[in-house]
Amino acid sequence: SQELEQSPQSLIVQEGKNLTINCTSSKTLYGLYWYKQKYGEGLIFLMMLQKGGEEKSHEKITAKLDEKKQQSSLHITASQPSHAGIYLCGAAPRLGSYGKLTFGQGTILTVHP
Amino acid sequence: GAVVSQHPSWVICKSGTSVKIECRSLDFQATTMFWYRQFPKQSLMLMATSNEGSKATYEQGVEKDKFLINHASLTLSTLTVTSAHPEDSSFYICSARDDGGTDQETQYFGPGTRLLVL
Repeated sequence: SQELEQSPQSLIVQEGKNLTINCTSSKTLYGLYWYKQKYGEGLIFLMMLQKGGEEKSHEKITAKLDEKKQQSSLHITASQPSHAGIYLCGAAPRLGSYGKLTFGQGTILTVHP
Repeated sequence: GAVVSQHPSWVICKSGTSVKIECRSLDFQATTMFWYRQFPKQSLMLMATSNEGSKATYEQGVEKDKFLINHASLTLSTLTVTSAHPEDSSFYICSARDDGGTDQETQYFGPGTRLLVL
């Protein structure tokens, strides 16, 4: 089965600082999702990457998928307290199985004003 | 974006009772929905795939007789936790894929249902 490892497990930054969260897979990623979750709440979809080398941005958040499709990074520029939460990467186990996601353990982000 | 709702948002029940959780796609049709479970400070784990008009498929280790899934329409899937016990206390989240969306790989998650079994 596919395993996803996120790093760091937790991150505390000062408002305005940039930060990066990594997600590494033991197998090829056919679809890599990034979600944000407030503890005890549902998931907010951020981005989905499929192609090697793909990069997507939404507001101050940029996600990349490496060429080998085994690692993704999420970068937040000029972080704000509103960025705080748990960031989860999720992966589809194989081509076409986009609903059955395996998730990483999550990265807890705290942004101090 | 597309919206998925869950009802109830939280429920407290006595051990031995059954609890039904609904997952609805509000503005799109979803042939397939997914049920996840999240224990405190852990990540989401896929429990089962709910298929409209056919039987659900369960992940290894998930008891199908305990977690009954019914996907009676293209906008509604229900998860019933039968004879709930304290170890079933968890956060249950559903997701759905828009059948008619342009980005059919996008999963939309519900807000979750917190279950506490006393």
